[in-house]
Amino acid sequence: GAVVSQHPSWVICKSGTSVKIECRSLDFQATTMFWYRQFPKQSLMLMATSNEGSKATYEQGVEKDKFLINHASLTLSTLTVTSAHPEDSSFYICSAATAGTMLNEQFFGPGTRLTVL
Amino acid sequence: AQSVTQLGSHVSVSEGALVLLRCNYSSSVPPYLFWYVQYPNQGLQLLLKYTTGATLVKGINGFEAEFKKSETSFHLTKPSAHMSDAAEYFCAVSRTGTASKLTFGTGTRLQVTL
Repeated sequence: GAVVSQHPSWVICKSGTSVKIECRSLDFQATTMFWYRQFPKQSLMLMATSNEGSKATYEQGVEKDKFLINHASLTLSTLTVTSAHPEDSSFYICSAATAGTMLNEQFFGPGTRLTVL
Repeated sequence: AQSVTQLGSHVSVSEGALVLLRCNYSSSVPPYLFWYVQYPNQGLQLLLKYTTGATLVKGINGFEAEFKKSETSFHLTKPSAHMSDAAEYFCAVSRTGTASKLTFGTGTRLQVTL
């Protein structure tokens, strides 16, 4: 089946630093990737949708200058949390989908736990 | 706009008992419906999905769900719970079409006791 990886699986950083999280589709080309954020014991909240080669579309309330998303290739999307603060600590999950998939399925990565001190 | 309501944030069943996790949706267009399972500190794994056709959908690990348009429901069931089923379960809805956004419910934590 389709496999999506994320790196790193966890990261701890100091307040004010930037952190980059990678999302890769390992065995298929992902024309669309999604980034979600999940707080403890809560549901997934969609942050943004990115299509390869174009700017990401951010959900209402998500700061695009703080959460930089790049989808430079069909197998890689990155999320950079700029000037991270403790309130950015969360579990970040990406998913990937392929255009032409009639079953409309997203394949999820294992997630990245970010802790900002 | 689409939305999902999962009744019961926490469900506890005995091992071997029936599992029933409830999901109701709201959608102005024919929906695609999904159930995902999440184990601690992991991503989501697809259990099953409904797109078109047969309304009773069978998934992995013995789970199944039935799409009932008249009730706008997509409840998840399993005849006999196993300890390994203990996890967080999310119902989600999306619009028809490719690579559409998923809207998730708030999740139901399933506890399985001996």
